[in-house]
Amino acid sequence: GENVEQHPSTLSVQEGDSAVIKCTYSDSASNYFPWYKQELGKRPQLIIDIRSNVGEKKDQRIAVTLNKTAKHFSLHITETQPEDSAVYFCAASRRNNRLAFGKGNQVVVIP
Amino acid sequence: KAGVTQTPRYLIKTRGQQVTLSCSPISGHRSVSWYQQTPGQGLQFLFEYFSETQRNKGNFPGRFSGRQFSNSRSEMNVSTLELGDSALYLCASSLDTTNTGELFFGEGSRLTVL
Repeated sequence: GENVEQHPSTLSVQEGDSAVIKCTYSDSASNYFPWYKQELGKRPQLIIDIRSNVGEKKDQRIAVTLNKTAKHFSLHITETQPEDSAVYFCAASRRNNRLAFGKGNQVVVIP
Repeated sequence: KAGVTQTPRYLIKTRGQQVTLSCSPISGHRSVSWYQQTPGQGLQFLFEYFSETQRNKGNFPGRFSGRQFSNSRSEMNVSTLELGDSALYLCASSLDTTNTGELFFGEGSRLTVL
């Protein structure tokens, strides 16, 4: 089955700087790559996703890039703010298969 | 529209007991997935149900089981509880039928095994 790995496990950034989280996946047939954000004590929520027919997608301060050849995808957060502090999970799946999550990255934005 | 509802929110059990957790998906969502969340292990997939059928299963022992009813509500059961089963159990529903769409998570059921 699909195996997703995230690096680094913890990332500290100064407010206003950019943060980048990278994930790798194992199943070359995976075609859906979402990112979920989980604030402390809350449920995970989808913040952005990308499908394999697209190389990059942006939504305001966040963007996701996908490299199918290398089987990795990354989350980019620009102009970080304190409310960006959370655990971010990447995931991957293909049609009718389970959505496999990485172990999560703790992002800490230092004011 | 009501979100995903999980009950109970908190429960404490002792080793050897069994537990049943319930999940009511968003109205109209037919896919329900269950995940176990523990510190450092992220979201580990337990199983996924679609139209009352288990469509996918994770790598958990047979003590973990689930089912889905005709109204899409789902339950998961853990028998012969072990200390390592202490975790937050998250249920998620999806309108998408192919596992390539947004998951809507409930707030979880936090299980403590003593």
